[in-house]
Amino acid sequence: AQSVTQPDIHITVSEGASLELRCNYSYGATPYLFWYVQSPGQGLQLLLKYFSGDTLVQGIKGFEAEFKRSQSSFKLRKPSVHWSDAAEYFCAVVILTGGGNKLTFGTGTQLKVEL
Amino acid sequence: SQTIHQWPATLVQPVGSPLSLECTVEGTSNPNLYWYRQAAGRGLQLLFYSVGIGQISSEVPQNLSASRPQDRQFILSSKKLLLSDSGFYLCAWRDTYNYGYTFGSGTRLTVV
Repeated sequence: AQSVTQPDIHITVSEGASLELRCNYSYGATPYLFWYVQSPGQGLQLLLKYFSGDTLVQGIKGFEAEFKRSQSSFKLRKPSVHWSDAAEYFCAVVILTGGGNKLTFGTGTQLKVEL
Repeated sequence: SQTIHQWPATLVQPVGSPLSLECTVEGTSNPNLYWYRQAAGRGLQLLFYSVGIGQISSEVPQNLSASRPQDRQFILSSKKLLLSDSGFYLCAWRDTYNYGYTFGSGTRLTVV
């Protein structure tokens, strides 16, 4: 069955340090991949997405992600974390079906930023 | 531009009471619509999706139902709420011609 795995439930980094969040998927073909961010009590905001082409994609708020087909991986990175980046981050995959092309999420990674 | 509205923002309901959450999309036509639930400490679970008026697909058996009476309106309902229905409910839409998913601001439901 198709699945999305975010191995890290919680991550703590110091402000100014670099960030890398992991995401792996299990899918029979190249999926469409997304990273979303959720601040407490809020909806989801799209950070970036990968459909095809260049495997390094740029997003909002200084985030980027790298797709590695050989590793079924879609890592999210930021060179220097700001305190306002503290939030929960979700990796998601579109699973193509005959109908709704469903967006399936990982379980999320909670990011804490130490000042 | 396209916008998605979801209400109410918060809701506290007693066990056994009915539920109706509404989601509407503006600025687009024939969107794919989705209801997700996020339980405390858990990820997002797809509950229902709809590719058109009156077309509802259910992902998991549960105490909830969904309806799409109009092209840009998606309603999540329950006849009798359970404690386990508590959670954060998110509506989302996707443009039929691309894979950009946009989420509403969510409804925090607490069943007491």
